[in-house]
Amino acid sequence: AQKITQTQPGMFVQEKEAVTLDCTYDTSDPSYGLFWYKQPSSGEMIFLIYQGSYDQQNATEGRYSLNFQKARKSANLVISASQLGDSAMYFCAMREWQAGTALIFGKGTTLSVSS
Amino acid sequence: EAGVAQSPRYKIIEKRQSVAFWCNPISGHATLYWYQQILGQGPKLLIQFQNNGVVDDSQLPKDRFSAERLKGVDSTLKIQPAKLEDSAVYLCASSPEGGLAGGNTDTQYFGPGTRLTVL
Repeated sequence: AQKITQTQPGMFVQEKEAVTLDCTYDTSDPSYGLFWYKQPSSGEMIFLIYQGSYDQQNATEGRYSLNFQKARKSANLVISASQLGDSAMYFCAMREWQAGTALIFGKGTTLSVSS
Repeated sequence: EAGVAQSPRYKIIEKRQSVAFWCNPISGHATLYWYQQILGQGPKLLIQFQNNGVVDDSQLPKDRFSAERLKGVDSTLKIQPAKLEDSAVYLCASSPEGGLAGGNTDTQYFGPGTRLTVL
């Protein structure tokens, strides 16, 4: 079974609009962390935001926020006020504490922002 | 603070040839990871080092892939001999503690990657 599922291969949004990128996960480990990374065409993976399984509040980092719904096992990324520079591939990833520290990635969602 | 450095950025070889990739992690980071990212997929862990010891190499194809991290700093990943299916981007990442602290303090930071094409 897939540990991380990103069901949207591609998303399109206009500048200044908000967009939500979906991520669901599957784990039986009570201690885990969820990460979102951005990968522009240059190839580098850029860390955006982190949510721990015991965190009571949704994580926020500038224009990025994580809509964490633990019971539904979803960790959607919300980007507010999209910019042209947000066009990239976005990956959701999970680390299960019992399994070690390596990240398990989803297949990614391509976001295209138009003017 | 300098990020994770990788070289070369691009490499084209023929099958059955050998190739090596180099990674220099963020200064002071104890843990180093090598991931393989095949086109259209998310990265997959190949090997993880804690200082100069191997923590997890369960997904490393050991018949052709090898990696080392001498002195607990730089690392080299080698493929010998290469196959067509090894065409991918090889990403190096580092983190401060490798899970001992957990949480956001253990975020992995990635280098620009090496794009390998095997013909």
